[in-house]
Amino acid sequence: DIQMTQSPSSLSASVGDRVTITCRASRTIFSYLNWYQLKPGKAPKLLIFAASTLHSGAPSRFSGSGSGTDFTLTINSLQPEDFATYFCQQTYSTRSAFGGGTKVDI
Amino acid sequence: QVTLRESGPALVNPTQTLTLTCTFSGFSLITRGTCVSWVRQPPGKALEWLALIDWDDDKYYNTSLRTRLTISRDTSKNQVVLKMSNIDPVDTATYYCARMIYYHDSRGSPFYFDYWGQGTLVTVSS
Repeated sequence: DIQMTQSPSSLSASVGDRVTITCRASRTIFSYLNWYQLKPGKAPKLLIFAASTLHSGAPSRFSGSGSGTDFTLTINSLQPEDFATYFCQQTYSTRSAFGGGTKVDI
Repeated sequence: QVTLRESGPALVNPTQTLTLTCTFSGFSLITRGTCVSWVRQPPGKALEWLALIDWDDDKYYNTSLRTRLTISRDTSKNQVVLKMSNIDPVDTATYYCARMIYYHDSRGSPFYFDYWGQGTLVTVSS
């Protein structure tokens, strides 16, 4: 099974900051990597798919990059509504797997 | 408008079988490339993919939970049901269902989960 390692597990930031979250796969997954945002009590949201494609409805301050085994989610100019937990997901395998999550708080 | 909603018991006794239902609208589960997946998140922990059922009624399960899970669908009711047997306190989690869509890529069959339910918290305790 493909393992996903996400870092950091948590970070503190301020409104307006640029935030970077990384995700590493245990083997190459080409660009089959998605990013999601989770908030308590709400439905998770798809932000990025195919490593760098912004999903419709996701704000343009979110961007993704990477291929192979190393990937990055960047949030430019962090907004109050961005304080949440973020997960990466590999979809190279039908039996997908998520990273451990990164909690972004104030 | 695509919506999904999970339903099931909030409290389950250990060793019982948990039955969760995902009721969806706004899409058809017989459309090629469309699936419904179940994902869970124990309190304070990571997301864990559990199972999926696709447009052709093919089923896939998390390898480590394979013997305990059963996924099925009722296309007439727009529902997907997940059963988890021999439930244990470590199965306490928020359970989500999500629409899964395959997208085109020349090298493989990648997908994403574009719509999710709000989740249902299941506590396993006697």
